[in-house]
Amino acid sequence: DSGVTQTPKHLITATGQRVTLRCSPRSGDLSVYWYQQSLDQGLQFLIHYYNGEERAKGNILERFSAQQFPDLHSELNLSSLELGDSALYFCASSLRTGGTEAFFGQGTRLTVV
Amino acid sequence: GQQVMQIPQYQHVQEGEDFTTYCNSSTTLSNIQWYKQRPGGHPVFLIQLVKSGEVKKQKRLTFQFGEAKKNSSLHITATQTTDVGTYFCAGPHAGGTSYGKLTFGQGTILTVHP
Repeated sequence: DSGVTQTPKHLITATGQRVTLRCSPRSGDLSVYWYQQSLDQGLQFLIHYYNGEERAKGNILERFSAQQFPDLHSELNLSSLELGDSALYFCASSLRTGGTEAFFGQGTRLTVV
Repeated sequence: GQQVMQIPQYQHVQEGEDFTTYCNSSTTLSNIQWYKQRPGGHPVFLIQLVKSGEVKKQKRLTFQFGEAKKNSSLHITATQTTDVGTYFCAGPHAGGTSYGKLTFGQGTILTVHP
């Protein structure tokens, strides 16, 4: 158990809908990262938060947004969903920013039908 | 921007054979991390290398960080079926607007045939 909790584990929704994925980082970790992993693909970086502030953005679509709350949990919002958004979404947390080891949650498998 | 490339993309070996995956960064890295993702699982941290030319071992796994801190390798000796999975390298951005962003290579998918 990595200590990172992601909910829900599975999500099936229709095109055009909006969903929210939730991540609770390990106790004490200030950094939260979101990654998208499509079938047999690598980990595509979406966004990084540190202590409530956005620090870096990857190729995140405008339909996607995220935030990190004062209690350090994070949410990834995906709207106007398309079939191609079906993927595994991972959250990872680390103690600091700047290259400390990252601990991954179990992921949320999103299926858009 | 920083790119982290990993080769090969796939590797099939017979149990007992050795395996190596290589990682190259377009920029100098402050450190490099390696992760393993079992089929159906999530990435799990294996190790972090920080120093130029550093070599670390974990049982049958040997990790190297290049002298220029732009490349790294993971070598597994005498693979076992428990080694199957995808091995990722990851490098943090050192500064600028992407400071702290952890970029992953595409991963090497290892299959071990008994």
